[in-house]
Amino acid sequence: KQEVTQIPAALSVPEGENLVLNCSFTDSAIYNLQWFRQDPGKGLTSLLLIQSSQREQTSGRLNASLDKSSGRSTLYIAASQPGDSATYLCAPNFGNEKLTFGTGTRLTIIP
Amino acid sequence: GAGVSQSPSNKVTEKGKDVELRCDPISGHTALYWYRQRLGQGLEFLIYFQGNSAPDKSGLPSDRFSAERTGESVSTLTIQRTQQEDSAVYLCASSLARQGYTEAFFGQGTRLTVV
Repeated sequence: KQEVTQIPAALSVPEGENLVLNCSFTDSAIYNLQWFRQDPGKGLTSLLLIQSSQREQTSGRLNASLDKSSGRSTLYIAASQPGDSATYLCAPNFGNEKLTFGTGTRLTIIP
Repeated sequence: GAGVSQSPSNKVTEKGKDVELRCDPISGHTALYWYRQRLGQGLEFLIYFQGNSAPDKSGLPSDRFSAERTGESVSTLTIQRTQQEDSAVYLCASSLARQGYTEAFFGQGTRLTVV
């Protein structure tokens, strides 16, 4: 069974700090991996899509890395802001076209 | 519209009634997904449509659940004889899904409450 784990489940950091969210998956044969954020009571917003051939993908203050061989991806957020508070979800595509989601990391940025 | 649109945004229904949820994907997106998210839990895959291929229904939890999609347009998810455990947010996503996988975009979801 393909499983996705996100650690930590919850994280609180003061505004302005840099932080890293972790995602690990059991099957290294992924096509790509997508990071999303989910605000309370809302749908998912796509942040970054990183292809299996890539090691990094950047968008503004966000940087996602991918290490297929070890089954890991990280999302780095620089200079965190209160508006970054949300739940962050990673979703690898294991080639069956279904996104498999982790349970997420609930991030709180303290002003 | 520019994004994935779902309706209704909220639905309250009595136990035993049937409900129909609607998803309008982004124009031109061949792939469409339905997921369920119970309160405080992760996303559960329900069903996947890709063009005119047979849908992947492997995530549907029971025969009370069904979904349809005509071509590459609107999809409806139907839940018959609703139960309280069906209460959840139902999320729809679409993607181009060409030659492998491309970025998926989600709608805002339909919050279903069965009373």
